[in-house]
Amino acid sequence: GAVVSQHPSWVICKSGTSVKIECRSLDFQATTMFWYRQFPKQSLMLMATSNEGSKATYEQGVEKDKFLINHASLTLSTLTVTSAHPEDSSFYICSARVSSDGGASYEQYFGPGTRLTVT
Amino acid sequence: QKEVEQDPGPLSVPEGAIVSLNCTYSNSAFQYFMWYRQYSRKGPELLMYTYSSGNKEDGRFTAQVDKSSKYISLFIRDSQPSDSATYLCAITKAAGNKLTFGGGTRVLVKP
Repeated sequence: GAVVSQHPSWVICKSGTSVKIECRSLDFQATTMFWYRQFPKQSLMLMATSNEGSKATYEQGVEKDKFLINHASLTLSTLTVTSAHPEDSSFYICSARVSSDGGASYEQYFGPGTRLTVT
Repeated sequence: QKEVEQDPGPLSVPEGAIVSLNCTYSNSAFQYFMWYRQYSRKGPELLMYTYSSGNKEDGRFTAQVDKSSKYISLFIRDSQPSDSATYLCAITKAAGNKLTFGGGTRVLVKP
């Protein structure tokens, strides 16, 4: 159980275009999903917290107009990188927090990641 | 000072040895502790999570938490080449809050 998928796993786009990445919880409902970015040989950097049905909360220094997050259902969140530039090339990973009755859960399960290369 | 410190390694051990990993944190408000394993170009995989001080065992993995010292550890017994990966500690202040990750320790288990 607790499987999270991401699509696409790898994408190459030209500078100035937009790219959408999907994150799905396959066998559980996730009221909260998180989006991370990871550069080579570095740890995960939280970009934003996405709650189903409400606006995402962005971390300091992350441009909300550039990284658009939509969490329209309990199993799907999307990250759109708008007007991508080469410096946006990175490994983007989502995670989903397991929703539990009676209170919040602290277990987060991660997707396999999406490698974005902007040329 | 970073909220969570973790030795980046690499930590190289022979097959069958015990792998010892640790993280220190600075804020006593952190209450929940997790260890993730990440293979190259893959998403992190949850290995262990714990709330209280003490030991928690799951197969070859043992997680230790010492809240008084703000120190957490992960031990891997009978290490295998397939354990070669980057191990990340993650902590959070309350259930459901965002995770704060350590920098990760790269582990190499040599056959």
